[in-house]
Amino acid sequence: DTAVSQTPKYLVTQMGNDKSIKCEQNLGHDTMYWYKQDSKKFLKIMFSYNNKELIINETVPNRFSPKSPDKAHLNLHINSLELGDSAVYFCASSPDLEFNTEAFFGQGTRLTVV
Amino acid sequence: GEDVEQSLFLSVREGDSSVINCTYTDSSSTYLYWYKQEPGAGLQLLTYIFSNMDMKQDQRLTVLLNKKDKHLSLRIADTQTGDSAIYFCAEEGYSTLTFGKGTMLLVSP
Repeated sequence: DTAVSQTPKYLVTQMGNDKSIKCEQNLGHDTMYWYKQDSKKFLKIMFSYNNKELIINETVPNRFSPKSPDKAHLNLHINSLELGDSAVYFCASSPDLEFNTEAFFGQGTRLTVV
Repeated sequence: GEDVEQSLFLSVREGDSSVINCTYTDSSSTYLYWYKQEPGAGLQLLTYIFSNMDMKQDQRLTVLLNKKDKHLSLRIADTQTGDSAIYFCAEEGYSTLTFGKGTMLLVSP
């Protein structure tokens, strides 16, 4: 069974659209994350979500909003998509907020905005 | 801002040692990490080192940290073909991790 799964794997959409990327973990972890890997390959954290508490990275535009229906799911909604949003988005989970515990990442969702 | 740099590619022969280097900028990082990404899979935490340590050994893995130069390295002893993957170093800031671009390690028989 895949520990962290995200869908879709590829997403191509037009500017201005609203889209969502789903993420599910079956590890029973308390903490989930969204990361963005930009065209320069740098991977940066966008959000962390721990036991219903959202920790926001202030550099993330308001158009990005994570939504967690339950502890096993953390979906990423993006409104009014822009060309610069094109990137690979990774979901991850870990037992708690400490980064030095084992973290599991999904395979990534490649978003292309045209 | 935070920035993490690492070489993009390393090729070694099976049985040799591999050394992957990384430089970082945030001197206040409490932990530094090495992640591994195998083909078609997500990132997995490989090992980490606390910033007040110089070295950490974990089986075939040795992590060296030079805090003065902000230099981190990962040594893999007796490298195997199964070690072929992309290795990311990452520095921890306040509630955030910043990753390098990744070093592709190719191990040939």
